[in-house]
Amino acid sequence: GAVVSQHPSRVICKSGTSVKIECRSLDFQATTMFWYRQFPKQSLMLMATSNEGSKATYEQGVEKDKFLINHASLTLSTLTVTSAHPEDSSFYICSALSGDLMNTEAFFGQGTRLTVV
Amino acid sequence: RKEVEQDPGPFNVPEGATVAFNCTYSNSASQSFFWYRQDCRKEPKLLMSVYSSGNEDGRFTAQLNRASQYISLLIRDSKLSDSATYLCVVTTGGGNKLTFGTGTQLKVEL
Repeated sequence: GAVVSQHPSRVICKSGTSVKIECRSLDFQATTMFWYRQFPKQSLMLMATSNEGSKATYEQGVEKDKFLINHASLTLSTLTVTSAHPEDSSFYICSALSGDLMNTEAFFGQGTRLTVV
Repeated sequence: RKEVEQDPGPFNVPEGATVAFNCTYSNSASQSFFWYRQDCRKEPKLLMSVYSSGNEDGRFTAQLNRASQYISLLIRDSKLSDSATYLCVVTTGGGNKLTFGTGTQLKVEL
């Protein structure tokens, strides 16, 4: 099946610094990618939809100036957590859809565990 | 009301047991339905799609009832390796938006 690669898998950063997370579709082109956040014992919550060549669409309550998304090519989307704070510590996962409307499957990156200290 | 609701569990069952999970969704325009499995600290992986006619894959059976906006997953002959969180997933917006339930945790014990 399709493969989505996410990097890094784990990062620890100091409060106030920025962290960039990369999400790549390895064997298919993804015009749309999705960024999720998952806090412990909670469900995946969609943060934003990343569109190749245009601005990302953010979900309500997600600050676009804090979570910068760039989708410059059909195989790469990046999420930058700017001025990270301890409350931003979470599991961030990207995904891309492969297939057509009748046979769609979401493939996920391995996730990035961010710890802000 | 949440868009996709699941009983969070945990469901603790002995090996070999049959266990059923339920999921309800609120958006009647939802188009596609899936069950994903998520192991601790890992990304979700597709378990199976869910169709109105019902579908079966080995020990796993999924059912969809559009009238009641209800999805189910049945696991027969549970294995220790089935221990995970099972996520009910619904698509809307032309199939581009996935909404996840909170997940149901299953623990299969000896």
